[in-house]
Amino acid sequence: SQKIEQNSEALNIQEGKTATLTCNYTNYSPAYLQWYRQDPGRGPVFLLLIRENEKEKRKERLKVTFDTTLKQSLFHITASQPADSATYLCALDGDNFNKFYFGSGTKLNVKP
Amino acid sequence: DTGVSQDPRHKITKRGQNVTFRCDPISEHNRLYWYRQTLGQGPEFLTYFQNEAQLEKSRLLSDRFSAERPKGSFSTLEIQRTEQGDSAMYLCASSPQGGFTEAFFGQGTRLTVV
Repeated sequence: SQKIEQNSEALNIQEGKTATLTCNYTNYSPAYLQWYRQDPGRGPVFLLLIRENEKEKRKERLKVTFDTTLKQSLFHITASQPADSATYLCALDGDNFNKFYFGSGTKLNVKP
Repeated sequence: DTGVSQDPRHKITKRGQNVTFRCDPISEHNRLYWYRQTLGQGPEFLTYFQNEAQLEKSRLLSDRFSAERPKGSFSTLEIQRTEQGDSAMYLCASSPQGGFTEAFFGQGTRLTVV
């Protein structure tokens, strides 16, 4: 079965720096991959989607890369702010878009 | 439409009782998903509806769990004979028809079984 790995340790960075989060997967070839943000006690909020034939996607301070050979996606937040502190989840599509498989998330702490 | 709505936000129940949660998706979305999330873990897929049809159900889902989506609008998730292991956040999400679309999540229902 497919396995999605995200760094379970919290990532602590200084305000203004670039945060880079990693999502690795095995036993699967997704058609696309998504990144979500989740704040404590709230549902995930969609951030970015990247298809298997795309190498990179950007949205404001966010950038996602997708390497289907390495089976890895990197999620970057440039010029990070304390308000970016949250848990970030990656998700892969399931069969026929009937479901999404989520990683366990990485908690990001941006210190002022 | 303000997004996906879930009710209640919190539910405390005694072990053995039945509970029912409601989800109102974004009105024009015909796909609806239920997920369960425990502390420190990502959301785990439970079931999927396309309109009123339940097209997929997790093999990990106990027979005590049942979901409906009458008329393809709101959905309910019922847990019968609750157990302490059912304590979790239950998330509902919806998305429009077509591939390569994101899911819009509700705020979830936090279930505590005592």
